[in-house]
Amino acid sequence: AQSVTQLDSHVSVSEGTPVLLRCNYSSSYSPSLFWYVQHPNKGLQLLLKYTSAATLVKGINGFEAEFKKSETSFHLTKPSAHMSDAAEYFCVVSEPSSGTYKYIFGTGTRLKVLA
Amino acid sequence: KAGVTQTPRYLIKTRGQQVTLSCSPISGHRSVSWYQQTPGQGLQFLFEYFSETQRNKGNFPGRFSGRQFSNSRSEMNVSTLELGDSALYLCASHHDAGTSGTYEQYFGPGTRLTVT
Repeated sequence: AQSVTQLDSHVSVSEGTPVLLRCNYSSSYSPSLFWYVQHPNKGLQLLLKYTSAATLVKGINGFEAEFKKSETSFHLTKPSAHMSDAAEYFCVVSEPSSGTYKYIFGTGTRLKVLA
Repeated sequence: KAGVTQTPRYLIKTRGQQVTLSCSPISGHRSVSWYQQTPGQGLQFLFEYFSETQRNKGNFPGRFSGRQFSNSRSEMNVSTLELGDSALYLCASHHDAGTSGTYEQYFGPGTRLTVT
């Protein structure tokens, strides 16, 4: 079975500084990986996805993630944090299941952006 | 296109009651998945429906059930509510990619259920 580990439950950064949210996965398959963001009292919004094309994936709002097979990692980065980036971020791996695919969610990383 | 809509947004129920939540997917999306989100357990998969058939199921008791209609709208039902069922219930839709690939899901805002 596949699994996802988000290494930090909370991350605090100052506005204008880089963001790094770490995600490791385990997989028996060629994984599809996603990052979602959830703002308070909102649903999840897709930031970006990796599906075995380019290893560096660019997403919305300046976020990007790099798939590193040797390290089984898919860390999310942004060069400069903005106050509006404060939210919870979920790393997700997609696993084949019963003829379809099932999402396995990480436990989430809450990002705090300090003024 | 309109996004995924869920009704109601907030709900308060008493232990032992039952509840029905509704989800309307994005137009053209035929698959709907349901998730439960709690602070302790995080996001857990409940079930997935495609063309009115349950295609996949998570590890939840039989009190949790769902269905999908011919217009792809979906409902989930929880019977004999317990305090531990208090959670944010999220619905997600996607345009089914079959078994040949993966897909991105589009989430609704959720229904916040409080059981007292």
